[in-house]
Amino acid sequence: GAVVSQHPSRVICKSGTSVKIECRSLDFQATTMFWYRQFPKQSLMLMATSNEGSKATYEQGVEKDKFLINHASLTLSTLTVTSAHPEDSSFYICSARATDSTGGLYNEQFFGPGTRLTVL
Amino acid sequence: SQKIEQNSEALNIQEGKTATLTCNYTNYSPAYLQWYRQDPGRGPVFLLLIRENEKEKRKERLKVTFDTTLKQSLFHITASQPADSATYLCALVSGYSTLTFGKGTMLLVSP
Repeated sequence: GAVVSQHPSRVICKSGTSVKIECRSLDFQATTMFWYRQFPKQSLMLMATSNEGSKATYEQGVEKDKFLINHASLTLSTLTVTSAHPEDSSFYICSARATDSTGGLYNEQFFGPGTRLTVL
Repeated sequence: SQKIEQNSEALNIQEGKTATLTCNYTNYSPAYLQWYRQDPGRGPVFLLLIRENEKEKRKERLKVTFDTTLKQSLFHITASQPADSATYLCALVSGYSTLTFGKGTMLLVSP
């Protein structure tokens, strides 16, 4: 089956530093990748949609200058949390949507295992 | 405003029984609905997708129904096992093909 990996799985950083999270589709090409954030006992909230080779589309209320997204290849998207603060501590999850042989998009999204970010 | 509601209270059942989880939504016209399983500290895992013109979908011990009139989906696990214990999320997909998730319902299956 389609596998999505994330790295790192956990990161602890000091306030004011930047953290980069990688999301990779291991055995398929993902034209579109999504980044979500999940607070404890809350639903996954979509932060942004990233399409390979173009700028990410951010959801309302998500600061694009704070959460930098790069989708440079069909198998890799990165999320950089710049100048992280304690309120950015959360569980960040990416997902990828595969394309079929005709270039159409599958409906199913494959999720990574998540990255737990703790900002001290 | 758009809302997806799943029972926030954990569902406790005994092994072997059928678990039924509910997902209600308002102010949505979803093209399709998906159910995911999420274990603690892990990303969601896709289980089933049902389209707006489908009433029911099955996969092994799982069954999903979708009633667009009631704006409700039911998710059933038959012959439940302790390994089925997890949080189950429903997610709606509307015109822009993005997923909007409910908060999920925790299922606890005791031996």
